[in-house]
Amino acid sequence: QSALTQTASVSGSPGQSITISCTGTSSDVGSYYLVSWYQQHPGKAPKLIIYEVSKRPSGVPDRFSGSKSGNTAALTISGLQAEDEADYHCCSYAGSGILVFGGGTKLTVL
Amino acid sequence: QLQLQESGPGLVKPSETLSLTCTVSGGSTSSRSFYWGWIRQPPGKGLEWIGGIFDSESTYYSPSLKSRVTIFVDTSKNQFSLKLTSVTAADTAVYYCARRHYGADYFDYWGQGTLVTVSS
Repeated sequence: QSALTQTASVSGSPGQSITISCTGTSSDVGSYYLVSWYQQHPGKAPKLIIYEVSKRPSGVPDRFSGSKSGNTAALTISGLQAEDEADYHCCSYAGSGILVFGGGTKLTVL
Repeated sequence: QLQLQESGPGLVKPSETLSLTCTVSGGSTSSRSFYWGWIRQPPGKGLEWIGGIFDSESTYYSPSLKSRVTIFVDTSKNQFSLKLTSVTAADTAVYYCARRHYGADYFDYWGQGTLVTVSS
């Protein structure tokens, strides 16, 4: 099971929108609507921000949205804020109880 | 509010066994709605799923670590544990325990993480 592919880094100015992609295969992202996204600030544990491709847990701002097309999932953050600067990790179910993460994307808010 | 807390040695010698325990409070490890799992993060790198346990006996492991990993639950103590054998420097990482929803496969509660360094 290979790691999902994420762009290493992305940046944007406050108020702008950015999209982080997460590319897998037909065995993971392409086969299941079980993609989740996690936000991780330095030195902290990851925090769930999107599950089942596009659902937001209670308390997560609606500026965060998720989608999927084929083997690629995407996280969009609109109206960027300084506190959004963090690492973002995608994760997909890959069958037989197995999960696979992406390599992570560092978001810089300029 | 559910809380998870990792505990165990912060330093392990090469070729030895890494052992960590996660203590769960505010919830039960015997719940059949959740897996209890382990994820690690080498310094400066991304997250890696290690494995998990469901219903106290069904285990699921990363194919790349399967030969070295064991995860088990002690419901009487409301704890679950990780053992990773024959460690090398490549196993140096922050290790997180987390709760995973059965069927929806996302982690909603995480421990704070514990750094384990493999070095002689």
